[in-house]
Amino acid sequence: DIQMTQSPSTLSASVGDRVTITCRASQSISSWLAWYQQKPGKAPKLLIYKASSLESGVPSRFSGSGSGTEFTLTISSLQPDDFATYYCQQYYSYPWTFGQGTRVEIK
Amino acid sequence: QITLKESGPTLVKPTQTLTLTCTFSGFSLTTSGVGVGWVRQPPGKALEWLALIFWDDDERYSPSLKTRLTIAKDTSKKQVVLKMTKMDPVDTATYYCVHATYYYDSSGWRYYFDYWGQGTLVTVSS
Repeated sequence: DIQMTQSPSTLSASVGDRVTITCRASQSISSWLAWYQQKPGKAPKLLIYKASSLESGVPSRFSGSGSGTEFTLTISSLQPDDFATYYCQQYYSYPWTFGQGTRVEIK
Repeated sequence: QITLKESGPTLVKPTQTLTLTCTFSGFSLTTSGVGVGWVRQPPGKALEWLALIFWDDDERYSPSLKTRLTIAKDTSKKQVVLKMTKMDPVDTATYYCVHATYYYDSSGWRYYFDYWGQGTLVTVSS
């Protein structure tokens, strides 16, 4: 199985901050990576697919980059609605696997 | 508009078989390039992919749970059913139904999850 490791596990930030979350794969997954946002008690929501493609309707302050084994999710200017947990997921090979999550909390 | 909704028991006893149903709308599971699957999340923990069935009847399972899982589709009812045998308290989780979309470009093709159901919490306890 491909292991996905996110860092940090928790991130404290203020509204307006630039935030970066890192996701590392245990082997190359090319660009077959998605990012999801999950709020408490809610289902995950797709933000980014193919490492850098923004899902329709997702604000442009979210961006993704990377390929191979290293990926980043960046929020250019953190908004109150962005405080949530973020997960990366590889869909390069079965079994599809997720990172352990990064919680973005209010500083 | 694609929607998915999970239904099934909220409480099952250890050793019992769990049957969950995903009822969807806004797409057909006979359309090329479509899949429906299941992902679970234990309380306070990360997401875990379980199984997926495709428009062409191809089925994929998580190797760690393969012997306990069965996924099936009923295209006329617009439903996908997941069965998980030998339930244990560690299987307590929110179970999500997901829609998978086919993506293709010059670097290849894959399926990824773009829509999720609201989830259903299943507790395993005697």
